[in-house]
Amino acid sequence: EAGVAQSPRYKIIEKRQSVAFWCNPISGHATLYWYQQILGQGPKLLIQFQNNGVVDDSQLPKDRFSAERLKGVDSTLKIQPAKLEDSAVYLCASSLGAGERNEQFFGPGTRLTVL
Amino acid sequence: ILNVEQSPQSLHVQEGDSTNFTCSFPSSNFYALHWYRWETAKSPEALFVMTLNGDEKKKGRISATLNTKEGYSYLYIKGSQPEDSATYLCAFPLSGYALNFGKGTSLLVTP
Repeated sequence: EAGVAQSPRYKIIEKRQSVAFWCNPISGHATLYWYQQILGQGPKLLIQFQNNGVVDDSQLPKDRFSAERLKGVDSTLKIQPAKLEDSAVYLCASSLGAGERNEQFFGPGTRLTVL
Repeated sequence: ILNVEQSPQSLHVQEGDSTNFTCSFPSSNFYALHWYRWETAKSPEALFVMTLNGDEKKKGRISATLNTKEGYSYLYIKGSQPEDSATYLCAFPLSGYALNFGKGTSLLVTP
């Protein structure tokens, strides 16, 4: 079974530039999550999708971050414009459904450096 | 958002040593506790999902226990090997079932 795919793996941009990340979840997984992991911190949820609908985006900085999951499969996360404090690893995860016991499967992440 | 606390922050042991880490979480409204291992440049990998008070789970040399009444879980590694070097994360489900992670314990095992 193929895992969660993410691209790019690494990205370096200057502040005020825009950047987009892509995620392809495990086939058949209805729930998709984007997490942000800043150095020294645990991953923090940015947004959760159930199929192509948003379940939770309460911690997404909506003035600069946006995400979509068209057709309920792939997802993109965009930052426009980027700030220095956006430097982090962006992890995408998927699960078969939404439940407290549901195992989440993670991609390798995109490491973003904002200069 | 209720906090998940992990200790120690980092740990350095010799090959063959056994070690353990702690995860503390809010004991009220407990649903489940997840443990993940995250090796550098790889995907976080699920180790255990624990749901019942007194649960003990094992995968090879790694085991975990759960005390939901007092709000803690221990992760044990018996006979640490260099390939066990990773960050170990515990996480507590939020209301929508996304995970609220601790900061992790970074383990380094040297030969």
